[in-house]
Amino acid sequence: KQEVTQIPAALSVPEGENLVLNCSFTDSAIYNLQWFRQDPGKGLTSLLLIQSSQREQTSGRLNASLDKSSGRSTLYIAASQPGDSATYLCAVEHTGNQFYFGTGTSLTVIP
Amino acid sequence: SAVISQKPSRDICQRGTSLTIQCQVDSQVTMMFWYRQQPGQSLTLIATANQGSEATYESGFVIDKFPISRPNLTFSTLTVSNMSPEDSSIYLCSVRGSGNTIYFGEGSWLTVV
Repeated sequence: KQEVTQIPAALSVPEGENLVLNCSFTDSAIYNLQWFRQDPGKGLTSLLLIQSSQREQTSGRLNASLDKSSGRSTLYIAASQPGDSATYLCAVEHTGNQFYFGTGTSLTVIP
Repeated sequence: SAVISQKPSRDICQRGTSLTIQCQVDSQVTMMFWYRQQPGQSLTLIATANQGSEATYESGFVIDKFPISRPNLTFSTLTVSNMSPEDSSIYLCSVRGSGNTIYFGEGSWLTVV
């Protein structure tokens, strides 16, 4: 069974810093990988989706990379802002609509 | 993108009662997914609901406890039956949009007392 791990569980950085969130998965036969943001008491907002054939995706200050062979993905956030404070989750998808979510990294950006 | 509305957003329920959560999507979708997120944990898929067929439940979830309806391509309901405090969770509905992106509703936060 696929296991998705996110490290660190929590991260606190001063405003303006660049940061990297990590996601690892045990089964590399994935269909795609997505990064989500979750604000307290809210649903999830999709940030980036990387298909299994892709190596990275970028959206604004966010860049996500995927290394299937090593079972790793990173989410890079440039020039962090207090509004980036949230929990970030990664999820891998296998064929047949099987999704596996990580437990998330809780990010706090200090003004 | 897809816009998903869930009702209720929050509720406090008495032990032993049942509650139905509604999920409305602004476009027609084939599959709708129901997730549970227990406090401090990640998401767990409860079931996949296709219009016109029985929902497919994941291991550990049964239809008697979590009956699902999918009457059309834009709407689904999840009922949490005979609730206990262990059912206190956020329940989330999601759909697949264009390009395989997954969209989520705002969630329904249930507290069972």
